[in-house]
Amino acid sequence: EVQLVESGGGLVKPGGSLRLSCAASGFSFSSYSMNWVRQAPGKGLEWVSSISPTGSFIYYADSLKGRFTISRDNAKNSLYLQMNSLRAEDTAVYYCAREPSGSYYDSWGQGTLVTVSS
Amino acid sequence: EIVMTQSPATLSVSPGERATLSCRASQSVSSNLAWYQQKPGQAPRLLIYGASTRATGIPARFSGSGSGAEFTLTIGSLQSEDFAVYYCQQYGAWPPAWTFGQGTKVEIK
Repeated sequence: EVQLVESGGGLVKPGGSLRLSCAASGFSFSSYSMNWVRQAPGKGLEWVSSISPTGSFIYYADSLKGRFTISRDNAKNSLYLQMNSLRAEDTAVYYCAREPSGSYYDSWGQGTLVTVSS
Repeated sequence: EIVMTQSPATLSVSPGERATLSCRASQSVSSNLAWYQQKPGQAPRLLIYGASTRATGIPARFSGSGSGAEFTLTIGSLQSEDFAVYYCQQYGAWPPAWTFGQGTKVEIK
């Protein structure tokens, strides 16, 4: 069974940093692109970032303006999102999602809540 | 950026009735369109990909159609567990920049 488990969310002050993790199991992690998708409270879904199976190709939403960095460790079956210079508008549930290359998301984690507030 | 627009924002339907949800892209995405279902407090679940292919385990009452810039999700006979928010998503842009519609909430009439 495919499992994606996010962690690392919490309360952080504006301007602060946070690192999210996503632990994957039940499939060949190194064969899939992986993504982060977020959802602000009461709002819709917003794609954040994507990383290819080997990490060679990385894409970000234009709105992030270089503040976030996606990475992966295939030896540990883990996906990461380093978030810097956090703003109130970054407050959201952050989901990791599996992507059969260049396409839709066929499995999602349960999400981790990031709250940016003073 | 490809903008996805869903209509209506809210759809009130009685159990057993058919529901038709629309999704329009600001430019052609070919058949690179997926639909997701999200219930309160849960992660989204993939329903349809490639505009019309049901994901594994999705009941036959869910069907997708369309190509280019106009897409439809039809729920043939609404069951109680189908009341949720539905999102469309395009994955046809290059360089990759996945975008979602704003969602359609299907509520009990």
